[in-house]
Amino acid sequence: DAGVTQSPTHLIKTRGQQVTLRCSPKSGHDTVSWYQQALGQGPQFIFQYYEEEERQRGNFPDRFSGHQFPNYSSELNVNALLLGDSALYLCASSLAGGAGELFFGEGSRLTVL
Amino acid sequence: EDQVTQSPEALRLQEGESSSLNCSYTVSGLRGLFWYRQDPGKGPEFLFTLYSAGEEKEKERLKATLTKKESFLHITAPKPEDSATYLCAVQAVRGSTLGRLYFGRGTQLTVWP
Repeated sequence: DAGVTQSPTHLIKTRGQQVTLRCSPKSGHDTVSWYQQALGQGPQFIFQYYEEEERQRGNFPDRFSGHQFPNYSSELNVNALLLGDSALYLCASSLAGGAGELFFGEGSRLTVL
Repeated sequence: EDQVTQSPEALRLQEGESSSLNCSYTVSGLRGLFWYRQDPGKGPEFLFTLYSAGEEKEKERLKATLTKKESFLHITAPKPEDSATYLCAVQAVRGSTLGRLYFGRGTQLTVWP
């Protein structure tokens, strides 16, 4: 039973560029959430997708956008990258109506130079 | 505003020396409190969910407890492989079952032989 998978695992971009991160949820899960984790901090909620729609959003600018596909996989897009966007981006999947437990992938480490 | 505070920030224990990690929270209606373990550069690994005051859960050397204001993660006779960052998160009741998690900054545990 595959868990949450994310790609790429590491990437380096320069300021002003755009990045797309990808996530496949755990088998049987239909909800995907994205979190940003800066070094030494706890994960911060970016947004959540269910039924291909953004359902909740944290305190992140519009430069952060996402998408969920019919197979429940998801993408996170970040435009006009800033140095402060350097972080570990975590995808978490869950089951709507379930116990609320989120299962995380290994993350995508983004470095912005 | 929903908030999670973990203490201490860092904890060093000798192998076999038991201790506790604290997670205090403020949330308008707790749906669940979650404990995760995170190894360096990896995604958080789910440990426990607690739903109501007085509830306790155990897994190997770890035991999590919950009161109305805080949760404790007790580590009995720790081993070096227990070294990791332990994250606490809360999920609030918002009328939806798709609740986001609010994380603390974590406690970095080091167990030395």
